[in-house]
Amino acid sequence: DQQVKQNSPSLSVQEGRISILNCDYTNSMFDYFLWYKKYPAEGPTFLISISSIKDKNEDGRFTVFLNKSAKHLSLHIVPSQPGDSAVYFCAASGSGGSNYKLTFGKGTLLTVNP
Amino acid sequence: EAGVAQSPRYKIIEKRQSVAFWCNPISGHATLYWYQQILGQGPKLLIQFQNNGVVDDSQLPKDRFSAERLKGVDSTLKIQPAKLEDSAVYLCASRKGGGGKNEQYFGPGTRLTVT
Repeated sequence: DQQVKQNSPSLSVQEGRISILNCDYTNSMFDYFLWYKKYPAEGPTFLISISSIKDKNEDGRFTVFLNKSAKHLSLHIVPSQPGDSAVYFCAASGSGGSNYKLTFGKGTLLTVNP
Repeated sequence: EAGVAQSPRYKIIEKRQSVAFWCNPISGHATLYWYQQILGQGPKLLIQFQNNGVVDDSQLPKDRFSAERLKGVDSTLKIQPAKLEDSAVYLCASRKGGGGKNEQYFGPGTRLTVT
């Protein structure tokens, strides 16, 4: 039972354009959502997060949107740069004690072409 | 601020052998996690510590996996005996603790190959 789903295994965009990565979840108890970026042979790096009390969070070129009714979130990268090429993982958690554990999607490989 | 440290970075063993991984979290982080990441999958939680106590080990295969966090700082994850399906990257993460934001910070991982 996959509670966090990233249905696009890969995405290719041109440098300077927008990258949109999508994520769906099924567990209504999730109330905190995160995006991680992973380069080969490195651990995941925290990118941006959003609490369920918000519907948007922005940090520089990165914006995360949350649609609670649809149980859907997306990560927008504008403008995309070649250095953004990596695997992006969506993760979700609840609150309190063991609920802080992260449940991850399978990841989306983003390739930004110069 | 130093990040999460893990060692070794790579390990190759034969099935039925034992192996141990070490993690040193970010200073001051009370919560420590071990995740297993199989190729093509997202990380999956194995065990969560709060200081030196276990909070969640429901997905840890306890017949072969064990973990400890003595003194609430460093942690060791052990596999004995290893199986072929244990081939994966083992990631350690830490979190400052308390309520609110749940950002976890990951180490570089240990890539285990069981032959």
